Amino acid sequence: GAVVSQHPSWVICKSGTSVKIECRSLDFQATTMFWYRQFPKQSLMLMATSNEGSKATYEQGVEKDKFLINHASLTLSTLTVTSAHPEDSSFYICSASMGGITDTQYFGPGTRLTVL
Amino acid sequence: QKEVEQNSGPLSVPEGAIASLNCTYSDRGSQSFFWYRQYSGKSPELIMSIYSNGDKEDGRFTAQLNKASQYVSLLIRDSQPSDSATYLCAVIEGSGNTGKLIFGQGTTLQVKP
Repeated sequence: GAVVSQHPSWVICKSGTSVKIECRSLDFQATTMFWYRQFPKQSLMLMATSNEGSKATYEQGVEKDKFLINHASLTLSTLTVTSAHPEDSSFYICSASMGGITDTQYFGPGTRLTVL
Repeated sequence: QKEVEQNSGPLSVPEGAIASLNCTYSDRGSQSFFWYRQYSGKSPELIMSIYSNGDKEDGRFTAQLNKASQYVSLLIRDSQPSDSATYLCAVIEGSGNTGKLIFGQGTTLQVKP
């Protein structure tokens, strides 16, 4: 149980284009989803927290207009990287929690984004 | 600044030995603690969660929590080469009801055959 999927697993795009990443909880309803990015040999950096039906809460320094997050249902959240640039190339990982502030986060397999 | 501290390692142990991974945290309000394993190029995978003081065992893994000392550890018995990975200690932020995880930098474990 507690499986989270992400799509696509990797994507290569040209600078200036937008990329959408989907995160789905397959066998549970995710009250809260989290989006992280990770650079090589570094720990995960939380970008934003999203709750179903409400606006995402972004961490300090994360541009909300650049990283658009939508949590349309209890099983789906999307992250759109708008006008991507090479410095946005990273490993993007989502996690999902069933609910409760102490609840476990289950991670998706991640999406590797390369912007040319 | 709420912090989670881990020794980055690498921690090298021979196959079959016990690997001991340690973590300290600064937020006294934290109530939920997790160990994740991350293989190179992959996302984190949950190993253990622990909420109460003492030990919690699951197969070859034992998590230990001491809230008074703000210390949490993970023991891996009978270490296998497949256990070689980065182990992330994570703590749910104690205030703000956000459910946000604060991660340590991770300890790299190498199990040598």
